[in-house]
Amino acid sequence: NAGVTQTPKFQVLKTGQSMTLQCAQDMNHNSMYWYRQDPGMGLRLIYYSASEGTTDKGEVPNGYNVSRLNKREFSLRLESAAPSQTSVYFCASSEVTGGINEKLFFGSGTQLSVL
Amino acid sequence: RKEVEQDPGPFNVPEGATVAFNCTYSNSASQSFFWYRQDCRKEPKLLMSVYSSGNEDGRFTAQLNRASQYISLLIRDSKLSDSATYLCVVPSNRDDKIIFGKGTRLHILP
Repeated sequence: NAGVTQTPKFQVLKTGQSMTLQCAQDMNHNSMYWYRQDPGMGLRLIYYSASEGTTDKGEVPNGYNVSRLNKREFSLRLESAAPSQTSVYFCASSEVTGGINEKLFFGSGTQLSVL
Repeated sequence: RKEVEQDPGPFNVPEGATVAFNCTYSNSASQSFFWYRQDCRKEPKLLMSVYSSGNEDGRFTAQLNRASQYISLLIRDSKLSDSATYLCVVPSNRDDKIIFGKGTRLHILP
């Protein structure tokens, strides 16, 4: 059982380049999330998707776009990378049961450096 | 008030001691609460869930105070392996948004 699979694990970009971070879960969860974590900081929510076909902004959405391609996959795109986007990115999924969020399952993270 | 607030620490605690952290939250309608543990910027791992007044698992106890809107995590007989960052998580049951606190760093000293 793979859980949440996130790729790539590491990426180095030049300023202005674009890239897409991929995330897939095999637990049939409705909700998926993208977070970033900077040194000394907690996880900050970039975007989330409560169900297939819907996406919503989180705390720090500027500079990012997302696509909920289907129930399994939720991708994060940087159209024009900036050094301020150097961070560790985590994808996560969860189930909502009876209106209550259950625990989050995380991917192993992507270390992104923008030069 | 921020949605989720934690004392960042670091807490430097001798091995064997008891340590407690608090986490305050702003959404009075939240119904589920979680403590996650994170090591060296690896992915967070669930430590405890709190759905009612509290939860206990071995040396770890999580308690919820709805009136004052905070949850606490108590670690008894602390071990060196407890050194980590502890993240408080409070899902919003209005919009499926899940916000993390900034985390509390704990160092257990030999």
